[in-house]
Amino acid sequence: DTAVSQTPKYLVTQMGNDKSIKCEQNLGHDTMYWYKQDSKKFLKIMFSYNNKELIINETVPNRFSPKSPDKAHLNLHINSLELGDSAVYFCASSHKDRERNGYTFGSGTRLTVV
Amino acid sequence: AQSVTQLGSHVSVSEGALVLLRCNYSSSVPPYLFWYVQYPNQGLQLLLKYTTGATLVKGINGFEAEFKKSETSFHLTKPSAHMSDAAEYFCAVSLAGKSTFGDGTTLTVKP
Repeated sequence: DTAVSQTPKYLVTQMGNDKSIKCEQNLGHDTMYWYKQDSKKFLKIMFSYNNKELIINETVPNRFSPKSPDKAHLNLHINSLELGDSAVYFCASSHKDRERNGYTFGSGTRLTVV
Repeated sequence: AQSVTQLGSHVSVSEGALVLLRCNYSSSVPPYLFWYVQYPNQGLQLLLKYTTGATLVKGINGFEAEFKKSETSFHLTKPSAHMSDAAEYFCAVSLAGKSTFGDGTTLTVKP
């Protein structure tokens, strides 16, 4: 059983399109996240949801909109895709005491905007 | 504010040699500390963590790290590198509900 699963694994799309990435976790964790990893492997947090409520929203363009229908799912919708959005996007989850236990990451979605 | 610095963006060792990946942190109080590994085309996987107690912590795949408060360091070591250890390694700190990742160190293992 995959603990944190993301779909699709690869996504190639044209500039200006709208796309979504889905994430699901079966760990019973309270909090879910979206991270962006650029071509230099730098990781940057984008959003964090705790039990369906947004708790972290870093300086991310409002073209990016997370949606959490329940605490096991956190989807990422991106409008009007730009070349600079090309990256690997990771979903992650954690128990509420993530400070002590860390994160469980999905395997990533490689987004390429052409 | 907390921060984490990984010294050396690339480390290359020979198979069987000691692996040493360096991590220093900055925070007002000792944070919780983590090392993650990312194999090619995969997500990050928790290697080990320090929360409280013994300062030398052991993780998966033969890795260990030692928390040194006086040096604000949490270096990752493995006595003998395997080819399968080639990956990206991230140090992370957590404090007051916020987690910060280092920029990563790419470990290359030469035959």
